[in-house]
Amino acid sequence: AQSVTQPDIHITVSEGASLELRCNYSYGATPYLFWYVQSPGQGLQLLLKYFSGDTLVQGIKGFEAEFKRSQSSFNLRKPSVHWSDAAEYFCALFIFRGGSQGNLIFGKGTKLSVKP
Amino acid sequence: DSGVTQTPKHLITATGQRVTLRCSPRSGDLSVYWYQQSLDQGLQFLIQYYNGEERAKGNILERFSAQQFPDLHSELNLSSLELGDSALYFCASSNFTGTARYEQYFGPGTRLTVT
Repeated sequence: AQSVTQPDIHITVSEGASLELRCNYSYGATPYLFWYVQSPGQGLQLLLKYFSGDTLVQGIKGFEAEFKRSQSSFNLRKPSVHWSDAAEYFCALFIFRGGSQGNLIFGKGTKLSVKP
Repeated sequence: DSGVTQTPKHLITATGQRVTLRCSPRSGDLSVYWYQQSLDQGLQFLIQYYNGEERAKGNILERFSAQQFPDLHSELNLSSLELGDSALYFCASSNFTGTARYEQYFGPGTRLTVT
């Protein structure tokens, strides 16, 4: 079955500390993976994506993610968190259905709080 | 700003009513997706259209329907509304071409409250 799991519902880090948000997926084909961020009352903003090639991908706002096929993981990282990073983060997997058909499935999200 | 627009931003209506949510995709994007975000179900895919034709269906109730018009904007129609339909409804678009084909860009959402 296809699924995305984000094990951590809520994480609190201090400003300036490093961050890692976990994501595991289950998919029987080549995964196309994404991280999105949602600030309160806002839509979803695409942070970064993995299609193929380099397993370490860079995104916007200083975020990066590492794809590990052996662990079925796509963890999001940031070396130094800023107060403005407080938001909810969603890992997503594209389910390709052939041709121009497909959709994203999402994890339940991880809410990030940042302590001053 | 993703380039995807949705109207209205907020909608409050009563049970049993019908509403229409509107979405305009990014310029050049042929594919439109609708997602529902609720506290208990999280983000769920509802339906996809590509260049005016329905392409994929997810957990969309029979009371819900959608269409994509020749100018590529899309509407999601929700009828016989129930309290449980209260949620944030997102539209997303993608162009399904090139290396960015699977990237989806989301609108700001329509918050529906059914009372």
